Amino acid sequence: DADVTQTPRNRITKTGKRIMLECSQTKGHDRMYWYRQDPGLGLRLIYYSFDVKDINKGEISDGYSVSRQAQAKFSLSLESAIPNQTALYFCATSEDTGRREQFFGPGTRLTVL
Amino acid sequence: GNSVTQMEGPVTLSEEAFLTINCTYTATGYPSLFWYVQYPGEGLQLLLKATKADDKGSNKGFEATYRKETTSFHLEKGSVQVSDSAVYFCALRGSGAGSYQLTFGKGTKLSVIP
Repeated sequence: DADVTQTPRNRITKTGKRIMLECSQTKGHDRMYWYRQDPGLGLRLIYYSFDVKDINKGEISDGYSVSRQAQAKFSLSLESAIPNQTALYFCATSEDTGRREQFFGPGTRLTVL
Repeated sequence: GNSVTQMEGPVTLSEEAFLTINCTYTATGYPSLFWYVQYPGEGLQLLLKATKADDKGSNKGFEATYRKETTSFHLEKGSVQVSDSAVYFCALRGSGAGSYQLTFGKGTKLSVIP
């Protein structure tokens, strides 16, 4: 089984709808991250969490919110989706000490019409 | 702030050709450098890394050397295969406060044709 899983893998929604993307991990890592990937722009950090009680904004947090329900779960919400939030979203995890290599989930492709 | 610049693609090569994907960076201190690979329909996977100057990261026939004097971390492979077709991302993690965060380049799409 994959160490970092994301649901759904694909989602099409309409402008103004609320949507939640979920991430779960079995790696036992404390740190979790949400990125979005746009063609030609690489990955940009939306939010990150160092533990259940420590959540921080990243580079492009406007229009997004997150919830860290447990060490293993980190959800990303779009309160009112807009078309320019159409992108590929990745969750990642890392340890909080040592090498801190980030491990990525398979991604969620979100389309906002 | 930190930044990563990598060569724009797409890059198309014939099987067994030599590959170079250029990557340069801007950062203070001594960042760690990474190459990630994204195969079609999948998430990013760490390909190789280097954590200090002159380190060489290697994996699956790919290599990259951390060159502090030229602030570069170019990816090379001597003989590419069709299975190497993917998008390659250069990334860095800073050495100071905020060293959790990865800064990515825009990605280079590689297509290898038989």
